[in-house]
Amino acid sequence: GAGVSQSPSNKVTEKGKDVELRCDPISGHTALYWYRQSLGQGLEFLIYFQGNSAPDKSGLPSDRFSAERTGGSVSTLTIQRTQQEDSAVYLCASSSSGRTSYEQYFGPGTRLTVT
Amino acid sequence: QKEVEQNSGPLSVPEGAIASLNCTYSDRGSQSFFWYRQYSGKSPELIMSIYSNGDKEDGRFTAQLNKASQYVSLLIRDSQPSDSATYLCAVNMGSSTLGRLYFGRGTQLTVWP
Repeated sequence: GAGVSQSPSNKVTEKGKDVELRCDPISGHTALYWYRQSLGQGLEFLIYFQGNSAPDKSGLPSDRFSAERTGGSVSTLTIQRTQQEDSAVYLCASSSSGRTSYEQYFGPGTRLTVT
Repeated sequence: QKEVEQNSGPLSVPEGAIASLNCTYSDRGSQSFFWYRQYSGKSPELIMSIYSNGDKEDGRFTAQLNKASQYVSLLIRDSQPSDSATYLCAVNMGSSTLGRLYFGRGTQLTVWP
């Protein structure tokens, strides 16, 4: 079946502009995660959704970052007033409920460059 | 502080050899353990999951878990050049952390012909 999809694959934006990143999880997966990976760095957790609610937002680095999920499916990550330190690859992952509920499958990522 | 540590590498092995990748984690209540493979410029790909102490084999890959020592490893037998990638260890550290995975920084593996 189809995997996790993300759009756009690349985004170049000017400092101070807002950006929206989209994630479409694997069909039927109830959990959705956002991470980011900066050059040479590990994966940094941002936020976790179960259904449409976000019980863990602890990784969002500032109030410029927000995310929502609608219909238990598509999620958007919004970064307001982008800064150069926001440049990274933003990765979305999803997982199912049940026995293998922690197995996360990643999308291809969105490479964000803030100039 | 919840941490996952991996041997930093890089690790270089000849084709056909066994590559051994190691990972330790800080939280004794951790329940689920994963290995991801990440090729340069690509996203992480799940290759192994392990939940119980002992070994789990899948083709050329064997994951080993020792919860008492808070240690998980990945062995790759008959290494191939196509195995050259960064390998990420990921841990779910118990119900209080919900579904969040904590990742190590990765070990870069090169398999030379």
